[in-house]
Amino acid sequence: GAVVSQHPSWVICKSGTSVKIECRSLDFQATTMFWYRQFPKQSLMLMATSNEGSKATYEQGVEKDKFLINHASLTLSTLTVTSAHPEDSSFYICSARESGYQETQYFGPGTRLLVL
Amino acid sequence: AQSVSQHNHHVILSEAASLELGCNYSYGGTVNLFWYVQYPGQHLQLLLKYFSGDPLVKGIKGFEAEFIKSKFSFNLRKPSVQWSDTAEYFCAVIMNRDDKIIFGKGTRLHILP
Repeated sequence: GAVVSQHPSWVICKSGTSVKIECRSLDFQATTMFWYRQFPKQSLMLMATSNEGSKATYEQGVEKDKFLINHASLTLSTLTVTSAHPEDSSFYICSARESGYQETQYFGPGTRLLVL
Repeated sequence: AQSVSQHNHHVILSEAASLELGCNYSYGGTVNLFWYVQYPGQHLQLLLKYFSGDPLVKGIKGFEAEFIKSKFSFNLRKPSVQWSDTAEYFCAVIMNRDDKIIFGKGTRLHILP
């Protein structure tokens, strides 16, 4: 199946700093990518939908100025957590939707963020 | 509101037992349906999907799911589970074409050796 990578796989940062997470579709083009948070023992919470070449669409309650999303190419989307705080510590997962027939989302391995 | 319900939060079975995990959704229109699996320490992987055609869908690792439109259900089944099936299983639904995917809360499956 299609492969989605995320980098870094884990990151520890100080409170107040910004962290950038990359999501890449390795063997297919993805006009749409999605960013999720997963809390321990819970389901995925959609944060935003990222469309190549346009502004991301954020879910209710997600601060767009805090979670900056850029989808500059058909294979790369980035999520930047700005001025991170301990409550932003979480597992961030991206997915990429394969364009075309029977569009399916494929998920990256996730990035674990710990803000001290 | 559109939602996806997984009835079983935690299931414990012995090896070789049969498995059925329930999934229901609330939407009367066209849907695309998915089951994803997350093995311990790994990322979400697609088990199977339904877009159209035969409502009985075969997936990887011996899993299958049946779409019953009248019941708004897409239950996952496996006739004989293995210890390696221990994982968390998520049902997911797209309720309008090109719309976002909505996940159920997941079912944690433990298989006893």
